Parts: sequence; C-alpha cells; structure tokens
Amino acid sequence: GAVVSQHPSRVICKSGTSVKIECRSLDFQATTMFWYRQFPKQSLMLMATSNEGSKATYEQGVEKDKFLINHASLTLSTLTVTSAHPEDSSFYICSARSGSDNEQYFGPGTRLTVT
Amino acid sequence: DAKTTQPPSMDCAEGRAANLPCNHSTISGNEYVYWYRQIHSQGPQYIIHGLKNNETNEMASLIITEDRKSSTLILPHATLRDTAVYYCIVRVARGNTGTASKLTFGTGTRLQVTL
Repeated sequence: GAVVSQHPSRVICKSGTSVKIECRSLDFQATTMFWYRQFPKQSLMLMATSNEGSKATYEQGVEKDKFLINHASLTLSTLTVTSAHPEDSSFYICSARSGSDNEQYFGPGTRLTVT
Repeated sequence: DAKTTQPPSMDCAEGRAANLPCNHSTISGNEYVYWYRQIHSQGPQYIIHGLKNNETNEMASLIITEDRKSSTLILPHATLRDTAVYYCIVRVARGNTGTASKLTFGTGTRLQVTL
C-alpha cells in the first residue's frame, strides 16, 4: 500500500521557538494533504487541508498564522508551529490523498512537546 | 458527511471474533462506510470500506445492512495486536469534483483484546 512518512517522530522544543514537521508521500503523488492534531485520549481533529501549489484551507478555530502549512511539491508538505507554547503539545498526524485511487493514507505521527 | 455512532469500548477474548457495530442512519446514497483503526501512539491504519455490499479482505469483514443505516466490522480471530481504537467513518468517495470528501473522525470504539 501507499506509504506516508513524517519527520521527526518526536520533538521537544522550548516555549517561544518554532518547529517544522515534514510529511512525505513515498511512493505516490499526493495532490492533497491533510494535517490532524490529537490530544491525549481524544480523537483526531482536522486542522487544515492543503493542495499542492496553493494556500491551505484551515478548519474553524485553527490559527493560520500560527500553524504554517507549505505544500510545495506533490510529495512533500510541511507544518510549522510558530512561537510554540505548552498548549501546542500534541500528536500531529499528516495524511496524503492519492490522486490515483482517491484514498487517504496516514503518516505515523509526530509527538510535539513544548517545555 | 453523515455522522456515525459507535459504542465507546468493547472487550474481546483473544482468538474470538470481534464484532464492532456502527450506526449511520443519515448516510446518503453516495457515501461509503470506511473503517480505520489507531493503535496507541501511531497514525490511523485503513482497514476496509464498502458501499452496500459486504466486503472482506485479509484484515476484516464489513457487513452493511440492507438499508445501509448500520454496519458491523468483524475481526474473525482477534489477537492482542488488534487492541486499538476503531473508527467508523462515512464519506463521499468521489464527489462532483472527482475528489473524495475529507475524513472526519468521531470518538471511535476502544477495543481491548484480552487473554
């Protein structure tokens, strides 16, 4: 099946700094990528949808200036958490939709801890 | 997309069949039923999906009622590694624009497989 990778798998950063998370589709081209966030014991919440070469569409309540999404190629999307605070600590999961079969494939997630 | 209702938790003995129910009474004619699972601290894993016919693959079987208002995911011989949160999602697989609607996760069913 289609493989999606994320890097890093875990990151710890200090409050006020920025951190970038990469999402790659390894063996298919992803015209659309999705970013989810999951707090402990809660379900996945969609943050934003990005299409290659265009601006991301953010879900209600998600600050676009704080969570910067770049989808510059058909195999790479990045999420940058700017000026991170402890409440941004969460499990961030990306998903890529294949243009060939229209299905969504998920990455393994990135655990962000802001101290 | 239509909403789904699942029991919050279920237990199953190892080696027995796990039957996970899902209600989706407002499902539309062009919406598919998808099942994903999430093992602790990992990204969601696709299991199976269907429209109206029963489906089977190497992981599970999906039984959809004739009126399509509910479905059951069956893991025929549950193992300890099947312990996870199982999500039932209904979505349009290929809409007017030719693309699928995004996956929206509910609270799912936490399946605990025990010895």
